Amino acid sequence: SAVISQKPSRDICQRGTSLTIQCQVDSQVTMMFWYRQQPGQSLTLIATANQGSEATYESGFVIDKFPISRPNLTFSTLTVSNMSPEDSSIYLCSVANRLNTEAFFGQGTRLTVV
Amino acid sequence: GESVGLHLPTLSVQEGDNSIINCAYSNSASDYFIWYKQESGKGPQFIIDIRSNMDKRQGQRVTVLLNKTVKHLSLQIAATQPGDSAVYFCAENGAGNMLTFGGGTRLMVKP
Repeated sequence: SAVISQKPSRDICQRGTSLTIQCQVDSQVTMMFWYRQQPGQSLTLIATANQGSEATYESGFVIDKFPISRPNLTFSTLTVSNMSPEDSSIYLCSVANRLNTEAFFGQGTRLTVV
Repeated sequence: GESVGLHLPTLSVQEGDNSIINCAYSNSASDYFIWYKQESGKGPQFIIDIRSNMDKRQGQRVTVLLNKTVKHLSLQIAATQPGDSAVYFCAENGAGNMLTFGGGTRLMVKP
């Protein structure tokens, strides 16, 4: 399985600011995803990070709030913009093959907005 | 929309007993399912998967059963250990090869 490193592992941020989360994989992967996990809840897909093109966002998530980059097959970033306390969550990077089988997750970034 | 759900939010078992965690899904077109284990402060860890052309798959101390007739998925853990305490999620791969996650079951192992 791929080794996925997320940075930062946690952060406390002031409302109105932005945080960029990095996801680095130790091998080239076809699919990269970003999920949100609110406290005590399950995982919700934010978007699919597409290499060299705009990310594909799920319903309820928009690029202005969650801009995503994926410059190559091993790296992606998720920015949480203009944060509010409601954005306090764990943000998770996931990688998978083309069929989204054998999907693996990073350790997550625990974000608290105050 | 279609979703994946779970029957029990919390399961408490005695160390050494077998655990069964259940999951119901509603998308009959889903062809692939995964169970994840998530310990506190960590990301979900892949446990075992199963394709829709199978009814059962076994791993080390874990077995996944798939009943397509009633759209039911279960994870069986043999000889449950304290290290098995975690939240377990099922996920289905359905439309567009996107994973949909269930609500999660917390497994608590009593010594």
